[in-house]
Amino acid sequence: SQQGEEDPQALSIQEGENATMNCSYKTSINNLQWYRQNSGRGLVHLILIRSNEREKHSGRLRVTLDTSKKSSSLLITASRAADTASYFCATDAGAQKLVFGQGTRLTINP
Amino acid sequence: DVKVTQSSRYLVKRTGEKVFLECVQDMDHENMFWYRQDPGLGLRLIYFSYDVKMKEKGDIPEGYSVSREKKERFSLILESASTNQTSMYLCASSPLLFRATSDTQYFGPGTRLTVL
Repeated sequence: SQQGEEDPQALSIQEGENATMNCSYKTSINNLQWYRQNSGRGLVHLILIRSNEREKHSGRLRVTLDTSKKSSSLLITASRAADTASYFCATDAGAQKLVFGQGTRLTINP
Repeated sequence: DVKVTQSSRYLVKRTGEKVFLECVQDMDHENMFWYRQDPGLGLRLIYFSYDVKMKEKGDIPEGYSVSREKKERFSLILESASTNQTSMYLCASSPLLFRATSDTQYFGPGTRLTVL
């Protein structure tokens, strides 16, 4: 399986600090996506990075992709309490399917 | 805004009951998905559909079936609910832009099912 695996499983930081989460996967991909899930809710798409891209920005989010290492990172800058959530990477399994990792649980302390 | 709705936020059923979970999307998306989410296991794909009346098994289809009679609606059916099907069920939809790649998936709010 080319399941993405997030690291760390849990992260707790102070408001205003930056948060970095990593994702590793096993086989070649078309794209990699990051999603956020607030407690007890559905997932919300954050950003999609294609295999021929190395870095992408969206507001306070920065995603990098290193296909040679089969890894990606999500950086959230200047964190806020509202960023508290679980973050999932999802790899394109082909045939219109995504494979999700187990997620990183991020807690922002005021 | 894309909207994916699920029929119930919380559901409690008894072992052996037949359970229907409904999902509706309003963006004319071709693809629809059913996942279950369990602590420590992440999201696992149960079934997906890429067109009306078309379905494909995901990673964990046992004990489930699906129905897609209309493009906007995708139903998950638990033929005879069991306690190990207690879980959070998430529905998602996505457009079909390129057949070989996956696009953004839009998720519903989830249904937390408890089977007693």
